Amino acid sequence: EVQLVESGGGLVKPGGSLRLSCAASGLSSSSFAMNWVRQAPGKGLEWVASISGSGSFIFYADSVKGRFTISRDNAKTSLYLQMSSLRVEDTAVYYCASEWGSHPAGDFEYWGQGTLVTVSS
Amino acid sequence: YELTQPSSVSVSPGQTARITCSGDGLTKKYARWLQQKPGQAPLLVIHKDTERPSGIPERFSGSSSGTTVTLTISGAQVEDEADYYCYSTTDNVAVVFGGGTKLTVL
Repeated sequence: EVQLVESGGGLVKPGGSLRLSCAASGLSSSSFAMNWVRQAPGKGLEWVASISGSGSFIFYADSVKGRFTISRDNAKTSLYLQMSSLRVEDTAVYYCASEWGSHPAGDFEYWGQGTLVTVSS
Repeated sequence: YELTQPSSVSVSPGQTARITCSGDGLTKKYARWLQQKPGQAPLLVIHKDTERPSGIPERFSGSSSGTTVTLTISGAQVEDEADYYCYSTTDNVAVVFGGGTKLTVL
């Protein structure tokens, strides 16, 4: 059974930094593209970033480009999101989602339960 | 690139629910549909416009015509009450979500 478990969320002040992790089990995470998707409280879904199975291809939403960095450690079957220069509008539940292909294509097959990031002074 | 969905759809149990999603990019890129129940992570119910992942009930189907894709739930059940999101990709691999549709089955 595939499981994705996010961690690292919490309360941070505007301008601060936070690192999210997503631990994958039940799949060979190095074979699959991975994504971060967020959802502000009471709002819809917003794609944040994608990374290919090898880590060679990375894509970001314009809203986080230059502030967030997606990475992965295939030996640990883990995905990360380093977030810096955080803004109040980054407050959201952050989900990791895996795809069934090695290159990002938007096929979000498996999802974690999410971790809440709150940016507030 | 925007995807437009109705904010809400309401049907009685056993009726057919149809949720539309419109966007110019849908003529070139596949659409997918996610179901999200309160407090839960999203679940992929349709991909490649019309294909149903394994484990998704047959009452869920997708169709496409021009710039509009449609999620159809035939014989909607109370447990199908949820938010439904369409989404697609752009040429540079960005992912775009529709605003979501709240389906009420009552």
